[in-house]
Amino acid sequence: QQQVKQSPQSLIVQKGGISIINCAYENTAFDYFPWYQQFPGKGPALLIAIRPDVSEKKEGRFTISFNKSAKQFSLHIMDSQPGDSATYFCAASPPQAAGNKLTFGGGTRVLVKP
Amino acid sequence: EAQVTQNPRYLITVTGKKLTVTCSQNMNHEYMSWYRQDPGLGLRQIYYSMNVEVTDKGDVPEGYKVSRKEKRNFPLILESPSPNQTSLYFCASSPGIGAGYTFGSGTRLTVV
Repeated sequence: QQQVKQSPQSLIVQKGGISIINCAYENTAFDYFPWYQQFPGKGPALLIAIRPDVSEKKEGRFTISFNKSAKQFSLHIMDSQPGDSATYFCAASPPQAAGNKLTFGGGTRVLVKP
Repeated sequence: EAQVTQNPRYLITVTGKKLTVTCSQNMNHEYMSWYRQDPGLGLRQIYYSMNVEVTDKGDVPEGYKVSRKEKRNFPLILESPSPNQTSLYFCASSPGIGAGYTFGSGTRLTVV
């Protein structure tokens, strides 16, 4: 039973295009929603995170959109670059999560073509 | 440089032969955690620790053990590895609840 469902599993985008990855969650207690970026041979690295008191957060070319009523959040990569080619994971955790546990989505492999 | 260091990076072993994957962090983080990564399943938590001598099970703890005798170290022990434990393993540390995790570079384990 996957509490955070991520889609698509993979996507290909042209350089300069917009990459959009969606996540849906079930646990309404979740209150921290980070996105991680993982390059081959490396561990995931925190990219950007949002809490449900805001509907959008932007950092450079990366934007999280959050829809609390729909229990969905998404990552938008604007002006996608070949260097953005990586696997992206959404995650979520409730407040006071035991061990600061994150529940991860299944991941999206993004390929940006030059 | 702030980092989480795992060793070894790659390991091939046989069924039943005990092994330990080491993990060390230099950021004085309270929380440490082990995750395994499998295609399509994302990362699933195996065990976590909230401080020295405080550990607890995550979502997939069967077949694994951990210990936290020092704040910086959090080894993962497989007493009797089986082929279904073939996976990519990550150690991670975090300063506290609601804060992001810093991950190590991973250990790719193959059990034959």
